[in-house]
Amino acid sequence: AQSVTQPDIHITVSEGASLELRCNYSYGATPYLFWYVQSPGQGLQLLLKYFSGDTLVQGIKGFEAEFKRSQSSFNLRKPSVHWSDAAEYFCAVGVPGGFKTIFGAGTRLFVKA
Amino acid sequence: GAVVSQHPSWVICKSGTSVKIECRSLDFQATTMFWYRQFPKQSLMLMATSNEGSKATYEQGVEKDKFLINHASLTLSTLTVTSAHPEDSSFYICSAPLSGRASYEQYFGPGTRLTVT
Repeated sequence: AQSVTQPDIHITVSEGASLELRCNYSYGATPYLFWYVQSPGQGLQLLLKYFSGDTLVQGIKGFEAEFKRSQSSFNLRKPSVHWSDAAEYFCAVGVPGGFKTIFGAGTRLFVKA
Repeated sequence: GAVVSQHPSWVICKSGTSVKIECRSLDFQATTMFWYRQFPKQSLMLMATSNEGSKATYEQGVEKDKFLINHASLTLSTLTVTSAHPEDSSFYICSAPLSGRASYEQYFGPGTRLTVT
């Protein structure tokens, strides 16, 4: 069965510092991978997605993610975090055939001044 | 970009009553929509897949008679929580993929917070 693991429940970084959020997936074929961000009390916004091709994907708000097949990972990165980036981040896998999306447990990002 | 709306954004109801939540795709048609439930500080759990013109498909463990889903048009799906109880209090989120795109990319509504007293 497909699954997504986000090993860090929460992460705290200083404003201006770099960020990396980890994501590992379990899937039998090349997955469709997503990162979403959720601000408190809000729905989810797509940051970026990987379907095929270049394994380094650029997204909105200065985020990028790298697909590494050998490690079954799709880690999210940002070179310089802003206070407005504080939110919950979800990694997700797209399930073929039915448009279903499997979400990881989420990582809450705290940004300190 | 594609926009999905939900109404209401929050609702408080008494135990035993029913509550209807609407999910609309504003600028595209959605033959399929998804309903998720999210408990505080937890991830999204898929409840059901809403299919236009046919019955919804429920995930294992989700009570069909309690969470009634209707997808009567290409832009509207509704979730009715029947005989609500305090344990049904949660954040309900709907999503829809762009029609015709086999991309699995979802567009999410802003969510509806339900509190049952």
